[in-house]
Amino acid sequence: AQKVTQAQTEISVVEKEDVTLDCVYETRDTTYYLFWYKQPPSGELVFLIRRNSFDEQNEISGRYSWNFQKSTSSFNFTITASQVVDSAVYFCALTEAGGSEKLVFGKGTKLTVNP
Amino acid sequence: DAGVIQSPRHEVTEMGQEVTLRCKPISGHNSLFWYRQTMMRGLELLIYFNNNVPIDDSGMPEDRFSAKMPNASFSTLKIQPSEPRDSAVYFCASRQGVYYEQYFGPGTRLTVT
Repeated sequence: AQKVTQAQTEISVVEKEDVTLDCVYETRDTTYYLFWYKQPPSGELVFLIRRNSFDEQNEISGRYSWNFQKSTSSFNFTITASQVVDSAVYFCALTEAGGSEKLVFGKGTKLTVNP
Repeated sequence: DAGVIQSPRHEVTEMGQEVTLRCKPISGHNSLFWYRQTMMRGLELLIYFNNNVPIDDSGMPEDRFSAKMPNASFSTLKIQPSEPRDSAVYFCASRQGVYYEQYFGPGTRLTVT
């Protein structure tokens, strides 16, 4: 069965620090999709990125970057030069191509960026 | 384009009352999902539809919960009768295709007293 583990429950950093949010997943499928979502204090869930299992290239979008490593079943998310506006709960999620169409979420990591 | 629309944004009701939550998915999306989020249980998938057909309702807590999708642009989640433990934020999400990302609505914060 598919599973997503975000071991870091809460992280607190000071503005301008770099921070990495860990995500480890379990799946029996060879084809699957990984996602990151952001939930700021206002409560909405914002899609950040989708990655399929055949694409291990790292991705960078501004201050955000994602490191996908199939060998360790990890899909980590790094924020460079963090800002107060990055404070949010971040969720990693997984969908298997051959199984249920459900999106399985991790428990989330609450990131607090202090000024 | 408008995102996923949910109404109401906040609902306060008394135990035993019927509650109806509404969702309008993004136009062109063929899958719709209902989630519930609480501090204790996190994000839980309640039910999802493909092409207006319910596919998996195994997450629906009990018979008090029901969901419908009469057409591609509208869905409802109904709780009857409501109980205090139903208090949560209910999210609706839609998706363009099976392996695409889901886009979430702003949520409905339900409080049952």
